Amino acid sequence: QVQVVQSGAEVKKPGTSVKVSCKASGYTFSSIGVTWARQAPGQGLEWMGWIRPYNGNTNYAQKFQGRVTMTTDTSTNTAYMELTGLRSDDTAVYYCARPVSGREGYYYYYMDVWGKGTTVTVSS
Amino acid sequence: QSVLTQPPSASGTPGQRVTISCSGSSTNIGSNYVDWYQQLPGTAPKLLIYKNNQRPSGVPDRFSGSKSGTSASLAISGLRSEDEADYYCAAWDDSLSGLVFGTGTKVTVL
Repeated sequence: QVQVVQSGAEVKKPGTSVKVSCKASGYTFSSIGVTWARQAPGQGLEWMGWIRPYNGNTNYAQKFQGRVTMTTDTSTNTAYMELTGLRSDDTAVYYCARPVSGREGYYYYYMDVWGKGTTVTVSS
Repeated sequence: QSVLTQPPSASGTPGQRVTISCSGSSTNIGSNYVDWYQQLPGTAPKLLIYKNNQRPSGVPDRFSGSKSGTSASLAISGLRSEDEADYYCAAWDDSLSGLVFGTGTKVTVL
């Protein structure tokens, strides 16, 4: 079945970087890729971006441009999300998910399979 | 900050119908499909509705979605205790070239 399995929790100091992994299985990872989103404690969901391995294209949310890098290893069907210059307000649960997108008149984009999340805590 | 606006809370007694609104603009809801996610306490979000009103396999038909202009709605009929969760709408935004989520609505079953 389709699933995405994320790496374990991280504790980081302000100013450092974190790299979260997401191993996909059960679907054509190379053509579909993954989406990343996060949720700060007690807050709502926030889309971070999307990577499609087949053409290497990435699409980052404006808020994270310059600080986030999404990469993939198609030999292991694993995606990575690296966030640099960590601040306390980057403390959140980071999710990867399988995106489904296309156009049928209107454009559709949704995530139908989610990982359990990776807790990243930024604290001095 | 979230581009799509939802009421912070909604509630109902078991068996009642609850409706959650999601207000956007011409660059997101007005131009693209809307999705809804359910997030039970302490768990990852789960896709509830996609393409405005389509239910993934396994989602009860008590959940229904609709869209009109730059707004969308999620209705839960026959409310059950297990429906107590946070609900988020989402849509692609052409201006931002990214997905935007709603502010989220916490549904309480009284």
